[in-house]
Amino acid sequence: SAVISQKPSRDICQRGTSLTIQCQVDSQVTMMFWYRQQPGQSLTLIATANQGSEATYESGFVIDKFPISRPNLTFSTLTVSNMSPEDSSIYLCSVSKREGLEQYFGPGTRLTVT
Amino acid sequence: AQTVTQSQPEMSVQEAETVTLSCTYDTSENNYYLFWYKQPPSRQMILVIRQEAYKQQNATENRFSVNFQKAAKSFSLKISDSQLGDTAMYFCAFMKEGGSEKLVFGKGTKLTVNP
Repeated sequence: SAVISQKPSRDICQRGTSLTIQCQVDSQVTMMFWYRQQPGQSLTLIATANQGSEATYESGFVIDKFPISRPNLTFSTLTVSNMSPEDSSIYLCSVSKREGLEQYFGPGTRLTVT
Repeated sequence: AQTVTQSQPEMSVQEAETVTLSCTYDTSENNYYLFWYKQPPSRQMILVIRQEAYKQQNATENRFSVNFQKAAKSFSLKISDSQLGDTAMYFCAFMKEGGSEKLVFGKGTKLTVNP
């Protein structure tokens, strides 16, 4: 199993500012993922973060808007840059074990942009 | 690209009864995995059950079981003896085998268990 913590759990930010979300895992994992869950919607994958390489972004998401760091096998950050109200969402990180057969999710960060 | 469809946005069931949530998917892959995840109001995503596409036998985890129909690309979840704690959003998800370990989620079904 894996226990994942995220900081902050929630934040209210002003338009045009940036917020960095931290994701900490209690064990070493190769693959970490960042998802966005807009209000009442499903999860959409933003990017895959592998240690030692650039993050791989999904269609519709770009590095300038969502820069990701992965300095080691237990930690990652996602920055939401130049925020607008459309960025108001829950952001979740997840980790993969057993080649994806077990995926564990953090509790999420609820972001509100005013 | 893979797609996952959950056609029931909301469902409700009485406590102790049985409910079935539907999921269909579209893929050209032959080897893949299917999952049901539960997201209660606390937001914590929890894996409920997993099915390997190469297995004909339907997966079962206590009160949760699936009906996997590979040819029909259908993957429904049956919850028996529903409990109040089963109230949550349920997401069906697809993962290609040997790939990037990415999950593709359906839009979810909001299940309410009534006392």
